[in-house]
Amino acid sequence: DQQVKQNSPSLSVQEGRISILNCDYTNSMFDYFLWYKKYPAEGPTFLISISSIKDKNEDGRFTVFLNKSAKHLSLHIVPSQPGDSAVYFCAASALWMRFGAGTRLTVKP
Amino acid sequence: GAGVSQSPRYKVAKRGQDVALRCDPISGHVSLFWYQQALGQGPEFLTYFQNEAQLDKSGLPSDRFFAERPEGSVSTLKIQRTQQEDSAVYLCASSLTTSNTEAFFGQGTRLTVV
Repeated sequence: DQQVKQNSPSLSVQEGRISILNCDYTNSMFDYFLWYKKYPAEGPTFLISISSIKDKNEDGRFTVFLNKSAKHLSLHIVPSQPGDSAVYFCAASALWMRFGAGTRLTVKP
Repeated sequence: GAGVSQSPRYKVAKRGQDVALRCDPISGHVSLFWYQQALGQGPEFLTYFQNEAQLDKSGLPSDRFFAERPEGSVSTLKIQRTQQEDSAVYLCASSLTTSNTEAFFGQGTRLTVV
């Protein structure tokens, strides 16, 4: 069963604009949520995380929002840069992480 | 090294062959995870260790898959009698604590069974 879903397989944005990546989950027992970035032929790189007791966490250009009632989280990247082009995975954790299928972000110069 | 190291990076196995994949976690990290990633998919959980104890192996697809971490550091994922459907990237991750708030991944081992 897919407990974590990323419904958009791809997203294309212009450099300097905002990128918004979305993720939905089904299990209310998850206590931590994470975003990873992945380049080809590399392992996922940790980006940002948020505890289930918070609704927002910010780190530089990256902000993660958590809406527990909707079981939804999103990653905002502002401003987007061409180097942000990668596949982004969201993950939900309860002892171990469950991942979505990923969203390929392309930032055009 | 500073990060999680996996070896080999690439492995080609003939169907029926046994393979062993190695993971060197970040020194001092308590938790270690193995994931399997098929093309175009997200990583799928295989198994989880806290130190040398294997706390969850519910994701191992069959009894041909076996993982160990005997001294609480290096871990080995073994696949016996490999089959074509085992072809995937195998990812290892480690986390400093048991709360798993931030896990660091290795580069993965790409296994191709021919």
